[in-house]
Amino acid sequence: GNSVTQMEGPVTLSEEAFLTINCTYTATGYPSLFWYVQYPGEGLQLLLKATKADDKGSNKGFEATYRKETTSFHLEKGSVQVSDSAVYFCALRSGGSYIPTFGRGTSLIVHP
Amino acid sequence: DVKVTQSSRYLVKRTGEKVFLECVQDMDHENMFWYRQDPGLGLRLIYFSYDVKMKEKGDIPEGYSVSREKKERFSLILESASTNQTSMYLCASSFQARGGTGANVLTFGAGSRLTVL
Repeated sequence: GNSVTQMEGPVTLSEEAFLTINCTYTATGYPSLFWYVQYPGEGLQLLLKATKADDKGSNKGFEATYRKETTSFHLEKGSVQVSDSAVYFCALRSGGSYIPTFGRGTSLIVHP
Repeated sequence: DVKVTQSSRYLVKRTGEKVFLECVQDMDHENMFWYRQDPGLGLRLIYFSYDVKMKEKGDIPEGYSVSREKKERFSLILESASTNQTSMYLCASSFQARGGTGANVLTFGAGSRLTVL
């Protein structure tokens, strides 16, 4: 079956540091890949997505590239801000299923 | 903008009470989902609905039921609340990807935090 593995958190960084959150997946066929973000006290919202190999999704300074050869979709940002403190979820949707598979989430804490 | 509205942000109930969590979406989405979110466990799917009156069990349906009488509304029901159902409950909705291909983005509500005493 499908699965998503994310690095465990919390990830703690100082403001302006470089961020990487690792995500690898197992899926049948050619999945679409997503990063969702959950700010404190809120539901999840889509951060970025990629639908085929070598696609790069980007939004709000975050980027992730769909790497089929390594089955990865790592999230990166060059310079984090305190306001980026949140929980980040990697997810995939594969084939004919309407139900996405989520990773367990990675908490990011950014200190001033 | 797609909106998913959950009727209650915070609820406190007693063991054995019947609990209704309501979710309404305003963008004509076919799919609707109920998840619970617990620290260290991520999101776990309780139930999924792909059409009015249609439902499928998710990973943890025990102790829950759902109702979808109208396309825009998806209700989660705890027939007899127990303390181990204290959690954050998230509702989500999405379009069905045409032909089974393409991205299928979920839009989430703000969540309902339920405490069962």
